[in-house]
Amino acid sequence: ELKVEQNPLFLSMQEGKNYTIYCNYSTTSDRLYWYRQDPGKSLESLFVLLSNGAVKQEGRLMASLDTKARLSTLHITAAVHDLSATYFCAVDRKGGDDKIIFGKGTRLHILP
Amino acid sequence: GAVVSQHPSWVICKSGTSVKIECRSLDFQATTMFWYRQFPKQSLMLMATSNEGSKATYEQGVEKDKFLINHASLTLSTLTVTSAHPEDSSFYICSANEGALNTEAFFGQGTRLTVV
Repeated sequence: ELKVEQNPLFLSMQEGKNYTIYCNYSTTSDRLYWYRQDPGKSLESLFVLLSNGAVKQEGRLMASLDTKARLSTLHITAAVHDLSATYFCAVDRKGGDDKIIFGKGTRLHILP
Repeated sequence: GAVVSQHPSWVICKSGTSVKIECRSLDFQATTMFWYRQFPKQSLMLMATSNEGSKATYEQGVEKDKFLINHASLTLSTLTVTSAHPEDSSFYICSANEGALNTEAFFGQGTRLTVV
């Protein structure tokens, strides 16, 4: 059974600081996703990582994937208040059925 | 990216009634769609896989007679919550993959269901 674990589950940080959210998964997968969710809203796709060593960056966010370690990271550089949200990693369950299993999410609160 | 639209965005219903939620892929065809449920401050839990032209596949613990799924066309899947109870109140989100397997998933905007 595929399990996806994120940590930390809650993070409060000051503006301007850097931090990393970690995502571990238990079995091989075709792809890994990072999503952002604002309160009361659906998911916003941030990154899709397909291969070992993949690194993608958008603004202050950078995601990486190590398929051998079954680990992905979402790094936040010089955080700003607008990045406050819940971030989910999710993994495509390998086997061709396209089912996506989500981590519990990381609630990020950035203090001005 | 592709667009997935859900309707309604929110609904309030009385206990014992049924509610239908629609999920449409607006600019692509989706042979498979997925339905998730999210309780407040929790993650998304996969409920079922909606398959065009065939029966839905439900995850363990999800009552198929309570959550009826119909995928009548390549652009529309519906989730009907039957005989709704307050504990069914939740945020329901659908997703669809564009094209063949192993493509990116796109999510609808979600439906907030409140059962009173």
